[in-house]
Parts: sequence; C-alpha cells; structure tokens
Amino acid sequence: DGGITQSPKYLFRKEGQNVTLSCEQNLNHDAMYWYRQDPGQGLRLIYYSQIVNDFQKGDIAEGYSVSREKKESFPLTVTSAQKNPTAFYLCASSIGGLWDTDTQYFGPGTRLTVL
Amino acid sequence: AQSVAQPEDQVNVAEGNPLTVKCTYSVSGNPYLFWYVQYPNRGLQFLLKYITGDNLVKGSYGFEAEFNKSQTSFHLKKPSALVSDSALYFCAVRGRNTGTASKLTFGTGTRLQVTL
Repeated sequence: DGGITQSPKYLFRKEGQNVTLSCEQNLNHDAMYWYRQDPGQGLRLIYYSQIVNDFQKGDIAEGYSVSREKKESFPLTVTSAQKNPTAFYLCASSIGGLWDTDTQYFGPGTRLTVL
Repeated sequence: AQSVAQPEDQVNVAEGNPLTVKCTYSVSGNPYLFWYVQYPNRGLQFLLKYITGDNLVKGSYGFEAEFNKSQTSFHLKKPSALVSDSALYFCAVRGRNTGTASKLTFGTGTRLQVTL
C-alpha cells in the first residue's frame, strides 16, 4: 500500500448523513483518484485530480464531492444524495501530468456501510 | 470507449502448477495494460504493466504477462503457483493519447484459488 493512507478503515453511516473519507499520500504525486469497488463490478472512478485546486468528475460522481487544497490530501465526501453508498472505497495516486504510462498506486481502502 | 473483459470469475489451480488469468481489452489505438492484485480487505497492489517493446512483461512475485495485439489479450501467467497467490486479480487498460488524465478502465476481477 506504499505511502498512501486512508482513514478510517471501517465507517458506518446512518441514512441522511454526510461522511468524509480521508486520503493522504507522501509520494509527492500530483494526481489522485477515488474509486468505488462493488462485488463483481470491478473499480469505478468517482473523481480524480491532476493538480492542487483542480478536480474532475469520473464515471459515477453523483452523490459525491471532493476537494484538493493540498497536494498530499484528497478527501472524499459521500453525501446523503448518494443512493447506495455501501461499498469499498479506494484512493490512488500517480505521478500525474501527461504521462500515459503512469502507474497508479492504491491505499488500503475504507469500507463504508450504511445502517 | 475502452473496456476490459476478464472472462473467468474464478480460476482454480493446484500449487506447483502453472496458472493463467485471462484478460482481453478494447481500446482505440495501442494500449497501455496493467495487472493488479488485491488481497482481502486490502488495496490493489501493482504487479506489472505493458507499455511498449517486448510482448512478454515480467513483474512482481514471479508473475508475467503476454501482450498479444492480434488477439487483443494480456493474459497473466506464473510458471508455478503458490497458495499465497490466492487473491483477486484485476486487469486494466488505458488508451494512448486519450487526454490529460491517466484514466484506467478496470475489468471485473478474477479470483485465483490455489490449493495444496
């Protein structure tokens, strides 16, 4: 899991609550990503950020929000608008820029359960 | 649009036997291809990637993968499986010159079960 940390490892949320998942990296990477993993569906991209103070929606951004105020941090907020938030959330980072060959490195994940 | 198919949900192999985990892809132009492994309740670990050059790519833990352009495949292989190789394996693809983000498309994963 390298220099990427995610917290908490497990998170329980009541319906109607917003929760924020933390992702921090000390790899000096410019680009950061959030994925959602559901059984049998692989990984789906929620948001990504190529540089500080900039981010773009991925394939399933509805009901999620992010910020990128610092290079090393990319928190994800799961809002009450997300209809089915129970999933395993993975953060990743990469050197970034225009490097097509860029390898993404992943954190250990946060398992979110809605009660 | 780019896509990845991992046709087998699960692969079973005996320890010491060779293993193959299949992956086919669809992308415009030449691809960049990746394999990752995931152990239970953990993040993904990078195994290897194909960028260009030799079609046989060697990676971590004795794994290798063979790029076959005509068959649009990138199968993961290991000559001799270990019980500790049991995990979930993901193939991923990115097209070249697709824009400013290193956006990967992942397959749905193949569970490898190695038994004694």
